[in-house]
Amino acid sequence: ETGVTQSPTHLIKTRGQQVTLRCSSQSGHNTVSWYQQALGQGPQFIFQYYREEENGRGNFPPRFSGLQFPNYSSELNVNALELDDSALYLCASFLQSVSGANVLTFGAGSRLTVL
Amino acid sequence: GNSVTQMEGPVTLSEEAFLTINCTYTATGYPSLFWYVQYPGEGLQLLLKATKADDKGSNKGFEATYRKETTSFHLEKGSVQVSDSAVYFCALTLMTGNQFYFGTGTSLTVIP
Repeated sequence: ETGVTQSPTHLIKTRGQQVTLRCSSQSGHNTVSWYQQALGQGPQFIFQYYREEENGRGNFPPRFSGLQFPNYSSELNVNALELDDSALYLCASFLQSVSGANVLTFGAGSRLTVL
Repeated sequence: GNSVTQMEGPVTLSEEAFLTINCTYTATGYPSLFWYVQYPGEGLQLLLKATKADDKGSNKGFEATYRKETTSFHLEKGSVQVSDSAVYFCALTLMTGNQFYFGTGTSLTVIP
């Protein structure tokens, strides 16, 4: 089975620009979460998508938005980029179930630098 | 609120030394607890988990026991190897399908 793949792996933007990051979830998984990992920090939850709808959101402003497609792949969009948006953006997928704790499968991330 | 606190690094050990990385948590409910590991240039990988009090998670020689009375989930390994060099993250989630809360990570370097 294929794991979680993210693209692009690295990108550089300037303040005020917009960016789109993409994620293909692991085969068999129906839920995608996005996390922001600043340098030297742990991942911070941005939001989560299940059945093409956002079903959880962390403490991030509305300029962070996303989509999930019928094939369970996902996009993260960030508008009006700020310097503090520079981070590693991690996508994680899992099969949502009613029993047991879900285990996140992470991609390698997209490294965004905002100048 | 919900949060995870890890011992600060970096930690440097000689090969075959004993490893402990401390992790404590605060949760509004009954969390499941995890340790994830991140190797350079890679995403996070699940190392082990425990879903209820007194459970012990184990994998690749690493162990951690869910201690509800001390709200802790310390990671231990009896004999570390150079290949264990990575950043280790403690995390919790409160229910199925919910967000994960991660600690700030502890960097481990093992020298031959």
